[in-house]
Amino acid sequence: AQSVAQPEDQVNVAEGNPLTVKCTYSVSGNPYLFWYVQYPNRGLQFLLKYITGDNLVKGSYGFEAEFNKSQTSFHLKKPSALVSDSALYFCAVRALISSGSARQLTFGSGTQLTVLP
Amino acid sequence: EAGVTQFPSHSVIEKGQTVTLRCDPISGHDNLYWYRRVMGKEIKFLLHFVKESKQDESGMPNNRFLAERTGGTYSTLKVQPAELEDSGVYFCASSLQREWNEQFFGPGTRLTVL
Repeated sequence: AQSVAQPEDQVNVAEGNPLTVKCTYSVSGNPYLFWYVQYPNRGLQFLLKYITGDNLVKGSYGFEAEFNKSQTSFHLKKPSALVSDSALYFCAVRALISSGSARQLTFGSGTQLTVLP
Repeated sequence: EAGVTQFPSHSVIEKGQTVTLRCDPISGHDNLYWYRRVMGKEIKFLLHFVKESKQDESGMPNNRFLAERTGGTYSTLKVQPAELEDSGVYFCASSLQREWNEQFFGPGTRLTVL
C-alpha cells in the first residue's frame, strides 16, 4: 500500500521569506510524485510533478520541489513567499508499477499555508 | 481549453434521500476519477473509469454509491440512500492516457447530508 504524510497541518511564513511544505511518502515501487494547491472555493490545481531524472523539479508560480529517494521526501519550496500563495497544499503519490494496476493518486492530509504581509 | 466541470457546486439533502453528482471531464481525456474529502481529512480515491469502463472501483465505500460513464464522456455519481457520513467534498478529475500524466481536478461538489 502507498501512503503520504504531510506532518504540518499549518505553516505560517512572512512575505518575502522562503517557504517549505513537507511531504514524505511510502510506496513499494518507484514513485510518481505530485503537488497540488487548492485556493478557497476552487478545485485542486496541479503545481508540479516528479517522474524521473533531475531531483529538483520546477513548477508553476515559482514553486519547486526536491525529490530525495533516501529520505522518501518530496518537499515543496519557494524562495520568496507571496501573500497570494496562501492556500491549502496537497502532496500526492502514485507508484510506478506494472500495467493494469491502479492509477489513483494517494494524497496527504494537506497543509494550510498562510503568508503574512 | 475548458477544464473539468462539476455540478452542482453544493447540495444539501436529508438522510435517506438520493443525490446525483455530475462530472464533465476535459475533452479527449479517457481517464476519469472520482475522489472525496470527508471532514477535512485526506482526499480519498473512489473509482477510475477508462472511457466507459470501470477500471478500478476499489475505493467505493459501499453499494449505496453508483457511478456511471455512459458513452465515455460525462460521469455521474449517485448516492442512494444518503447517510450522514457521506457528507464531504466530491472531486472529479480527468487525465490523458499515460500513467505519469497529471490529473486535472474539477472544483468539487460539497455534499451535506442532514
